[in-house]
Amino acid sequence: AQSVTQPDIHITVSEGASLELRCNYSYGATPYLFWYVQSPGQGLQLLLKYFSGDTLVQGIKGFEAEFKRSQSSFNLRKPSVHWSDAAEYFCAVGFNYGQNFVFGPGTRLSVLP
Amino acid sequence: DAEITQSPRHKITETGRQVTLACHQTWNHNNMFWYRQDLGHGLRLIHYSYGVHDTNKGEVSDGYSVSRSNTEDLPLTLESAASSQTSVYFCASSDPTGFAFFGQGTRLTVV
Repeated sequence: AQSVTQPDIHITVSEGASLELRCNYSYGATPYLFWYVQSPGQGLQLLLKYFSGDTLVQGIKGFEAEFKRSQSSFNLRKPSVHWSDAAEYFCAVGFNYGQNFVFGPGTRLSVLP
Repeated sequence: DAEITQSPRHKITETGRQVTLACHQTWNHNNMFWYRQDLGHGLRLIHYSYGVHDTNKGEVSDGYSVSRSNTEDLPLTLESAASSQTSVYFCASSDPTGFAFFGQGTRLTVV
C-alpha cells in the first residue's frame, strides 16, 4: 500500500538559517509528489509538485525539493528561512493520475527570531 | 477565478444529530475528496468521488456518507454525530494532472 512518512514531527530553526524537511514514500511506480503548506486556521496551499523530468523542482516562496528515486525521498529545502515560513508542512503522494492522494503526518516548523 | 468553497467554516453540533458539510468547486473537476485532519494523524481520506453518481469509501469512512448528484458538489453527511468526529474537515478536487485544490476547511465540534 502507498504510504508517506515525515520523520520529523517538529523542527525549530532560526530565521535566516537553511531548512530541510524530510519526506519518504512507498509506492511501486513513479509517483506524483507534492509539498503543501498550511498556516494556522487555513487550508492547504501547494508549494511545489513533481510529476516527471528534472528531479529538482522549484516552488513558490523560495522553496525547492529534490526527488531521489533510489532513496524514495522528496525532501523540501529552503536556503534562508523567514519568520513567515512558520507553519505545518505536508508531503503527499498522488497516483492514478490525480485519483488518489496519500498525505504524510506533517512537520510543524517553528522559526526563532 | 475558479475555486473550491466549504460551508460552514465552523459548526457545533450535539451528539446523535445529523450534520451535512458542503463542498462546492467551480473547477469542473471530476475528482473530489473529503479528508479529516487530526493532530498526529495528518489528513485521512473519508470518501471520494470520480464523477457524478460515483462515490467510494476511504480510510476512515465509518459514520460518514457522501452523494454526488452534479460535478460541482460533494456534500459530506455525518449520519449520527459522535464526539470522535470532532475534527477539521477539508474538501479537495483534483485535475487530470494530479494537482489537488483544497478548500479552507470546516471545523466541526461535537458536544
